[in-house]
Amino acid sequence: GDSVTQMEGPVTLSEEAFLTINCTYTATGYPSLFWYVQYPGEGLQLLLKATKADDKGSNKGFEATYRKETTSFHLEKGSVQVSDSAVYFCALNSGGSNYKLTFGKGTLLTVNP
Amino acid sequence: EADIYQTPRYLVIGTGKKITLECSQTMGHDKMYWYQQDPGMELHLIHYSYGVNSTEKGDLSSESTVSRIRTEHFPLTLESARPSHTSQYLCASSPGAARRDYGYTFGSGTRLTVV
Repeated sequence: GDSVTQMEGPVTLSEEAFLTINCTYTATGYPSLFWYVQYPGEGLQLLLKATKADDKGSNKGFEATYRKETTSFHLEKGSVQVSDSAVYFCALNSGGSNYKLTFGKGTLLTVNP
Repeated sequence: EADIYQTPRYLVIGTGKKITLECSQTMGHDKMYWYQQDPGMELHLIHYSYGVNSTEKGDLSSESTVSRIRTEHFPLTLESARPSHTSQYLCASSPGAARRDYGYTFGSGTRLTVV
């Protein structure tokens, strides 16, 4: 079955540091890949997505590239801010009639001033 | 701008009480989901629905029940709340087409505390 493995947290960075959160997946066929962000006390919001190999999703300074050869979708940001402190979830969708997203376990990011 | 609404945002209730968590969406989505989120952040699917009068249990066994008598409304009910039900509950929806490029839209969640 489908699965998503995320880098375990928590991750603590200083403001303006470079961020990488690793995500690898196992799936049948050609899934779409997503990153969601959950700010404290809120639900999840879609951060970015990529639907085919070599696609790059980007939003709010975050980027992730769909790498089929390494089955990865790592999240990166060049310079994090305190306001980026949140939980980040990697997810995939293989499609088909039983449509459900498969989520990773989440990575807590804390950015200190 | 929220298109999926959960009420209440916070609820503290005594053991043995019956509670209903509300979830409504204005996007006309056919598919709706309930997740329980543990303190370690992991999401656990407890119920889902692919349309009116269709409900299924998710991957995590739950004592809660759901109903779907209108497309826009997917309430979750606990007949007798217990402290073990204390958690964050998240509702989500997605369009009906089985397309793999669709994600979910989430509500803001209900944080339930049973004392």
